[in-house]
Amino acid sequence: DAGITQSPRYKITETGRQVTLMCHQTWSHSYMFWYRQDLGHGLRLIYYSAAADITDKGEVPDGYVVSRSKTENFPLTLESATRSQTSVYFCASSDQGWGNQPQHFGDGTRLSIL
Amino acid sequence: GEDVEQSLFLSVREGDSSVINCTYTDSSSTYLYWYKQEPGAGLQLLTYIFSNMDMKQDQRLTVLLNKKDKHLSLRIADTQTGDSAIYFCANTGNQFYFGTGTSLTVIP
Repeated sequence: DAGITQSPRYKITETGRQVTLMCHQTWSHSYMFWYRQDLGHGLRLIYYSAAADITDKGEVPDGYVVSRSKTENFPLTLESATRSQTSVYFCASSDQGWGNQPQHFGDGTRLSIL
Repeated sequence: GEDVEQSLFLSVREGDSSVINCTYTDSSSTYLYWYKQEPGAGLQLLTYIFSNMDMKQDQRLTVLLNKKDKHLSLRIADTQTGDSAIYFCANTGNQFYFGTGTSLTVIP
């Protein structure tokens, strides 16, 4: 089925380790986004991408790295995980830029950093 | 930056109407959105309203937009237990700004 898939769904790792969260979409949407969801903060934008090889920072980019070598994939890497990065991470995609089209979300990755 | 506010919790009895409120500060958006998040799932687009509209109705859902007061609301008629979820409003100035989410509990 077409859609947006995230992997893994659950991940436990240790402080200081590198971890990569995967996101894959089959709609050929131009825009892709990474959010983190924390209680009391709603969703906060980490990074976004307007097209392959074009990425930009969102509200909370520190400690994260993204790449977009192919339109359909947008991995998020925590280079040296910290406990404050324990969160639920959502990937989203959209056919157009901000606001004019809705964003479509994956089911999330629940990341725990011990 | 943009500030989108929602109350955190709402409880209603099955069959009653639910009203979820949202206030925002950036009035430059073209569309405002409502998303629903069920436990363990991502956000699912529920409905949206164009910024030059005051009201939009979609089956049991009614969206009201008061641009003067920068207030958005979502009314769910005949609320069912399956409507229990977290509801997010999103304003879309130069990016998507999500509220903190309102957790709706429907009491049988």
